[in-house]
Amino acid sequence: AQSVTQPDIHITVSEGASLELRCNYSYGATPYLFWYVQSPGQGLQLLLKYFSGDTLVQGIKGFEAEFKRSQSSFNLRKPSVHWSDAAEYFCAVGNNAGNMLTFGGGTRLMVKP
Amino acid sequence: EAQVTQNPRYLITVTGKKLTVTCSQNMNHEYMSWYRQDPGLGLRQIYYSMNVEVTDKGDVPEGYKVSRKEKRNFPLILESPSPNQTSLYFCASQLHGASSGELFFGEGSRLTVL
Repeated sequence: AQSVTQPDIHITVSEGASLELRCNYSYGATPYLFWYVQSPGQGLQLLLKYFSGDTLVQGIKGFEAEFKRSQSSFNLRKPSVHWSDAAEYFCAVGNNAGNMLTFGGGTRLMVKP
Repeated sequence: EAQVTQNPRYLITVTGKKLTVTCSQNMNHEYMSWYRQDPGLGLRQIYYSMNVEVTDKGDVPEGYKVSRKEKRNFPLILESPSPNQTSLYFCASQLHGASSGELFFGEGSRLTVL
């Protein structure tokens, strides 16, 4: 069975500081990996995805993530955080059959002015 | 506008009173899915459907039913709701499958069972 762990439940960073959100997955084959963001009272929006190829993927809103197979990780990064980035972030792994997308528990990001 | 629409957005009900949460998408997507979101647990998949008349259990199907009679609609049925089904529910759709690309989410339905 596939699973995702996001070790950090809450993270607080200052506006303008860099950000890294951690994600570790468990899946027996090459995974399909995603990061979604949820703003308060909203549904989820896709930030970026990894299917194959270049292990550093670029997403919307200046986010990027790096797939590291040896560490089973897919960490999300942003060089300079904006106050509007305050939200909850979810890492997810999809199976090859395309029927299951498993989410991590989420990381809530707070941004200090 | 491409969207996934859920109704109701908010509902308070009592134990045992059957309810249905509707979900409709206008993007001609084959794949649809229901998730529940609980604090600290992220989103957990309840049921999914790969196409019309094809449904299957996700990770937490107990106490729920679904049907897929038309491509656009995927209702979630709670035959006899219990307090442990108090949660935030999301419907989602994708053109071919959950891993094929971006999953499009509805705005969520917050359900409270007393």
